[in-house]
Amino acid sequence: EADIYQTPRYLVIGTGKKITLECSQTMGHDKMYWYQQDPGMELHLIHYSYGVNSTEKGDLSSESTVSRIRTEHFPLTLESARPSHTSQYLCASSPLSGTGRDTGELFFGEGSRLTVL
Amino acid sequence: AQTVTQSQPEMSVQEAETVTLSCTYDTSESNYYLFWYKQPPSRQMILVIRQEAYKQQNATENRFSVNFQKAAKSFSLKISDSQLGDTAMYFCAFMKSWSGAGSYQLTFGKGTKLSVIP
Repeated sequence: EADIYQTPRYLVIGTGKKITLECSQTMGHDKMYWYQQDPGMELHLIHYSYGVNSTEKGDLSSESTVSRIRTEHFPLTLESARPSHTSQYLCASSPLSGTGRDTGELFFGEGSRLTVL
Repeated sequence: AQTVTQSQPEMSVQEAETVTLSCTYDTSESNYYLFWYKQPPSRQMILVIRQEAYKQQNATENRFSVNFQKAAKSFSLKISDSQLGDTAMYFCAFMKSWSGAGSYQLTFGKGTKLSVIP
């Protein structure tokens, strides 16, 4: 089993609430990601990070923000949740090669399923 | 930009039989990696198999093997002796190889839902 953890696993909240989805990994991986996935559908990259103090937006426009203050921690925050944010959010990490290059070998968390009423 | 196409939204196979999942991709890159990821119901997505485009030999991992046809831009996954635990969504993914600056993110297909029938 991969050592990457997401909390909460399930969350139901009202519109306008601020939420933070937590993601932690104990593998010392430099690169971390957040994907959005509707049930049974493809993954869309919304944020990624190459390391501490590095964050980038992904292909899918998102109103969420991320931070990377520690290597092992990559939280995602929604300042004001809306029903359109209802989805599953997957966190992942991957090691870089010995020469600092992407390997494409991702380790995923179990996901956080968010429902906004 | 790269695209990954999985033309089979759903498939089913009898336990102990063999099944092949299709994946095609479009890219102008000459060096890249291809992956198959498995997402079981309510469980973590995991890497099944990885292929480097410059390697002609098809990758294998126990009961999982690929048929990589570079000229045809095809990357199918064969599962032999299917087991109930193989029931999952399977995603094909592409990543270009390192060539300097730029973005190196996985491009995923839409997935194929595989059901293994007892």
